[in-house]
Amino acid sequence: NAGVTQTPKFRVLKTGQSMTLLCAQDMNHEYMYWYRQDPGMGLRLIHYSVGEGTTAKGEVPDGYNVSRLKKQNFLLGLESAAPSQTSVYFCASSGIKRGALPYTDTQYFGPGTRLTVL
Amino acid sequence: KQEVTQIPAALSVPEGENLVLNCSFTDSAIYNLQWFRQDPGKGLTSLLLIQSSQREQTSGRLNASLDKSSGRSTLYIAASQPGDSATYLCAVRDTGGFKTIFGAGTRLFVKA
Repeated sequence: NAGVTQTPKFRVLKTGQSMTLLCAQDMNHEYMYWYRQDPGMGLRLIHYSVGEGTTAKGEVPDGYNVSRLKKQNFLLGLESAAPSQTSVYFCASSGIKRGALPYTDTQYFGPGTRLTVL
Repeated sequence: KQEVTQIPAALSVPEGENLVLNCSFTDSAIYNLQWFRQDPGKGLTSLLLIQSSQREQTSGRLNASLDKSSGRSTLYIAASQPGDSATYLCAVRDTGGFKTIFGAGTRLFVKA
């Protein structure tokens, strides 16, 4: 049971380049989230998903796109990277479905991806 | 708009001391509150989760309380150890159930 894994761990991009961050969870969680963490600002929610095939905007969605084609994977895309997107990105998951209603519980986090945009 | 504040931003204590970390939030309509620990360069580890209907949760030397009416939560750490040194984050989930707002954290250093 690996929990939540993120790929890659580090990446350096030039302004205007694109990339995709991959998050995978093996806990059969319904919900998945992408956050960014910047010094002195805590974590901020970028996008989230409440189930396979669904996505929704969080607090700071501009410049990012996401997809959840499979329940265990949540992808975060940067189409045209900007220096303001230099940050540490964390993926998290939660919620095991019980009966007709999902159960929203503890969020489990991946180890993070450190992204630098030059 | 929900805002979460953690005071103090940093704290240094000698080993063995009992300590309290504070978290305040502006909107009392929350679904739950979660305390996390983050070690340098690492991800977040969940410590305690308090549902909106609960007053406190305990795990080992940790006790977290929740007072929704005053918009406050505290994390009590008993008999602190050098291994407790980390950043502690408080996070509030709104009643919609999915958006979580984090505080900036309290950096704790426990001196041996």
